[in-house]
Order: sequence, then C-alpha cells, then structure tokens
Amino acid sequence: NAGVTQTPKFQVLKTGQSMTLQCAQDMNHNSMYWYRQDPGMGLRLIYYSASEGTTDKGEVPNGYNVSRLNKREFSLRLESAAPSQTSVYFCATTIEDATNEKLFFGSGTQLSVL
Amino acid sequence: GENVEQHPSTLSVQEGDSAVIKCTYSDSASNYFPWYKQELGKGPQLIIDIRSNVGEKKDQRIAVTLNKTAKHFSLHITETQPEDSAVYFCAAVGADAGNMLTFGGGTRLMVKP
Repeated sequence: NAGVTQTPKFQVLKTGQSMTLQCAQDMNHNSMYWYRQDPGMGLRLIYYSASEGTTDKGEVPNGYNVSRLNKREFSLRLESAAPSQTSVYFCATTIEDATNEKLFFGSGTQLSVL
Repeated sequence: GENVEQHPSTLSVQEGDSAVIKCTYSDSASNYFPWYKQELGKGPQLIIDIRSNVGEKKDQRIAVTLNKTAKHFSLHITETQPEDSAVYFCAAVGADAGNMLTFGGGTRLMVKP
C-alpha cells in the first residue's frame, strides 16, 4: 500500500520549458490537492479536485494547469516554467470528501527553474 | 481571507524538555485546526487536530489547546525526544477561505540529545 506517489522526486528546468508532475493514490479517496511549499510561507494550495471530473483553483493557481485523469491520478502542468515556480510541490488526498481535513501527503517533488 | 501566523520559526530544546508552538488566526468562523509534522525529505503528516467546540485535546506526549476568544491555538510537546526534531505546521479551516486549509509558516524544532 503505497499511499500517495509523486513523480519525479527532483527536476531542473530552464525558464520557458514545460513539464508535468504526476500524482497517484491507492487509497480510493475522492479529493486530491496540489500544494507548493516555500520557505517561511507554509503550504499554499494551487488546485484541487473534489471528485473525479472536477477541478477548482486554490490560492495560487496562476501559471499552472491540472488534470484529474481518473479517480487515482491528478497531474499538475507547468506550461512555461518561471524562476518564481522554483518550489517543493506536494500532492495530497483526503478521506473527507470535499474538504481538506485529514490530508495524506506524498513525499514531494523538488523543482528548480533556472 | 484567513491568515495564520506561527511562532517561533525555529525552536531549540534539550531532550526531555517541553516545546510549545503558537499560532494565531484571523477568521473567527474557523472551526478546524490541525497540526502537521514534516520530517526531512518527507511530506507533512497529520499528528493531531482540534475542532472549535473543544478547548484541549491530548494524544500521549502531544496536546493542542484552543482559545477561540483570542483566536489562537498552541501545540505542546512534553518530554521531547530527538525523533521529535522536524518542521511543524499549524493550519486553520474557515469559511473565508472556502473551507480550505490555510497553513502557518512552519516551526523548525530541534531537540538536542
């Protein structure tokens, strides 16, 4: 039982390049989330998906897109990476539908944009 | 929207001592307050949470207290051990933030053997 799996673990991009961060969960949870973590700023919500087929913006959605591919998978795409997107990205799920209480986090993707 | 402030940003204690981390929130309608622990290289993990209808909750060596009037809540760790060394995040859920979590900036706790 892997829980929440994120790939890749590390990535270095040049400004303007695109990439997709992958997240898969095997807990049969409906709700999935993408957060970014920056020093001194805690975790900030980028996008979330309350259920398969729906996605909504969080606090900091600019520069990102998401796809809820199926119940298990929720991907985050950077179309044209910028240095300001250098961060650690976490995917999470919750047992509580349509809320983000009791989150289960993946181990993160460390992204550097040069 | 909701604003959560967390203090201190770093905390160093001797093994066996107690550690206290404090958070304040701005939305008086907030009703759920979790604490997450993040070990190096890992994602945050929920360690304890409290709802607004409860003033205190304990789980072995950790406890959380909530003062709704003053809009602050605290994490208390007693008899600290080296494995308690980590970054701790508080958070609050309130209607102002669309019932989404707003996190504090984090506290790096170091427990010296």
